[in-house]
Amino acid sequence: ETGVTQTPRHLVMGMTNKKSLKCEQHLGHNAMYWYKQSAKKPLELMFVYSLEERVENNSVPSRFSPECPNSSHLFLHLHTLQPEDSALYLCASSQDGGAGNEQFFGPGTRLTVL
Amino acid sequence: AQSVTQLDSQVPVFEEAPVELRCNYSSSVSVYLFWYVQYPNQGLQLLLKYLSGSTLVKGINGFEAEFNKSQTSFHLRKPSVHISDTAEYFCAADYNNAGNMLTFGGGTRLMVKP
Repeated sequence: ETGVTQTPRHLVMGMTNKKSLKCEQHLGHNAMYWYKQSAKKPLELMFVYSLEERVENNSVPSRFSPECPNSSHLFLHLHTLQPEDSALYLCASSQDGGAGNEQFFGPGTRLTVL
Repeated sequence: AQSVTQLDSQVPVFEEAPVELRCNYSSSVSVYLFWYVQYPNQGLQLLLKYLSGSTLVKGINGFEAEFNKSQTSFHLRKPSVHISDTAEYFCAADYNNAGNMLTFGGGTRLMVKP
């Protein structure tokens, strides 16, 4: 595997389900990100982890819970979601250490909440 | 708040014609600018970036962009497009004091017609 991988690629869940999205980066980076991409809206940064510590949480609802067990893996735990949470969830990684570093994106998980 | 504006949500163009995708950013003392491309069912891929130096930046796939500080713009151009350039294009800014936290524009869908 190379680059940034995400599983599953597609997920359909009910509002009462609990599921998790997984992201793995094979680039040796030390920062990882979760973004939400909804139709007709700019990408929204949800969480940022640098050196496995969360450094940013853009007022994301608590029904989204991130976990970063090591610098290569990032999870997004989902519970009691709402239909408006249906979107493409993108993971990215970069080499932290200053502005201007490129972020590398995974292919995303297409989430549908029924 | 800092923002990035992509004025055109869709740009239709015929194959082999030139194209310009517009991007304006909030004025800032220091800013790094990026263009990303997203092909269907894929994550974002970096086309080019401006950090400093020459205001004309060349990227992959024949794209280039020009940083214009006085107009706070970073428009993307290609002299002759191909069908394979059909994709969503995102302009993003790193306002330096946010490290690697990018602010994205709403995206422009480039539709190349034969």
